[in-house]
Amino acid sequence: IQLTQSPSTLSASVGDRVTITCRASQSILTWVAWYQQRPGKAPKVLIYDASTLESGVPSRFSGSGSGTEFVLTITSLQPDDFATYYCQQYNTYVGTFGQGTKVEVK
Amino acid sequence: QVTLRESGPALVKPTQTLTLTCSFSGFSLTTRGMCVTWIRQTPGKALESLARIDWDDDKYYSPSLRTRLDISKDTSKNQVLFTMTNMDPADTATYYCARIRGYEKGGYNYYFVDVWGKGTTVTVSS
Repeated sequence: IQLTQSPSTLSASVGDRVTITCRASQSILTWVAWYQQRPGKAPKVLIYDASTLESGVPSRFSGSGSGTEFVLTITSLQPDDFATYYCQQYNTYVGTFGQGTKVEVK
Repeated sequence: QVTLRESGPALVKPTQTLTLTCSFSGFSLTTRGMCVTWIRQTPGKALESLARIDWDDDKYYSPSLRTRLDISKDTSKNQVLFTMTNMDPADTATYYCARIRGYEKGGYNYYFVDVWGKGTTVTVSS
């Protein structure tokens, strides 16, 4: 199963609403997680089951979608949110990742 | 608190076998629904899942790499071992171990990566 994220890079300002899309090559129901990776750090889970917020993650992050199209939304971008975001499908035993979306300062 | 830590060589030569150890705490791999996976990230930043081992000792591998991979666990030491044979410069990457947590929905169990180790960088060069 291939995952395609768009855009690859996104330029935004603090306070902006940001949306990142992840499209799957076949239906994966809601078996998608979203991760944030800051430079030099390991990824951190934000969302699983397409829309369930992981404990401790700020409520400005939200996920939606099912089937083949999924969206990560950040409602009001904060300075800590400039990072790279990845989607991952876990419909298969060894899941696959999208290629990543870098959110950079505009 | 769940933590995982990868250890192993920073440099391996082409054709050699890479062996990495994941030492973890805060959970047990004897608990139903717990799994550990290995994921790598190439210098170009792509993430690739490699292998997974479950609480019941079921093992799963990346289809494209399965002939080169092996994963095992030592529950008495809270460790997971990972080997990749016939290393190539294209295998240069940061290797992460991570916990997979299960949850129930609609009578079925599903598993996603919830906690990552810090990663260990492996360079393949002669």
